[in-house]
Amino acid sequence: DTEVTQTPKHLVMGMTNKKSLKCEQHMGHRAMYWYKQKAKKPPELMFVYSYEKLSINESVPSRFSPECPNSSLLNLHLHALQPEDSALYLCASSQDIRVASGGEQYFGPGTRLTVT
Amino acid sequence: LAKTTQPISMDSYEGQEVNITCSHNNIATNDYITWYQQFPSQGPRFIIQGYKTKVTNEVASLFIPADRKSSTLSLPRVSLSDTAVYYCLVGDIEDNYGQNFVFGPGTRLSVLP
Repeated sequence: DTEVTQTPKHLVMGMTNKKSLKCEQHMGHRAMYWYKQKAKKPPELMFVYSYEKLSINESVPSRFSPECPNSSLLNLHLHALQPEDSALYLCASSQDIRVASGGEQYFGPGTRLTVT
Repeated sequence: LAKTTQPISMDSYEGQEVNITCSHNNIATNDYITWYQQFPSQGPRFIIQGYKTKVTNEVASLFIPADRKSSTLSLPRVSLSDTAVYYCLVGDIEDNYGQNFVFGPGTRLSVLP
């Protein structure tokens, strides 16, 4: 199974709502990532978890809160978002955080988020 | 920061070989070069990765000159289904706490019949 699944596929939320995005992989990967992608732009790295510990936080606003409950699951909790946060949110996983040690990333299909 | 540049778009015809070049003048010693393909409304898909010289797999080849300041993704005999955006990624997550792990701007390849 080389699949990364993400739910929901689409999400519309108001600026006062609280919602969560979910990501799951069963490849035994120990690194998991959250990316944000705006239309016609490349993915931008947000968070990296390595062995279930937050390794990198790319200066993301606190209204985005990641969580890694176990080695297969990754959540992104959303609260008080702004319309400019509307984007495609991608989850990815890799065998290891180091590119040279299996850093090939497997991406999920993404969650299309719209903030109204 | 190993900033990368790529052509914004390219057109090709079915059956032709396509070469997409990525420039990365400030590549660091430990940086690898990775290419991803992305279709609309899907996540990127890994194509190939290399450090130096030439790497080949079942779908593509990656050519890296000795100075490593550029790399070329080669897609043999493209088909309509190869129409997608191709991203060059240079860097390592652990380098500078991920700040150097940046996707290039992407090249939009259109394959025409």
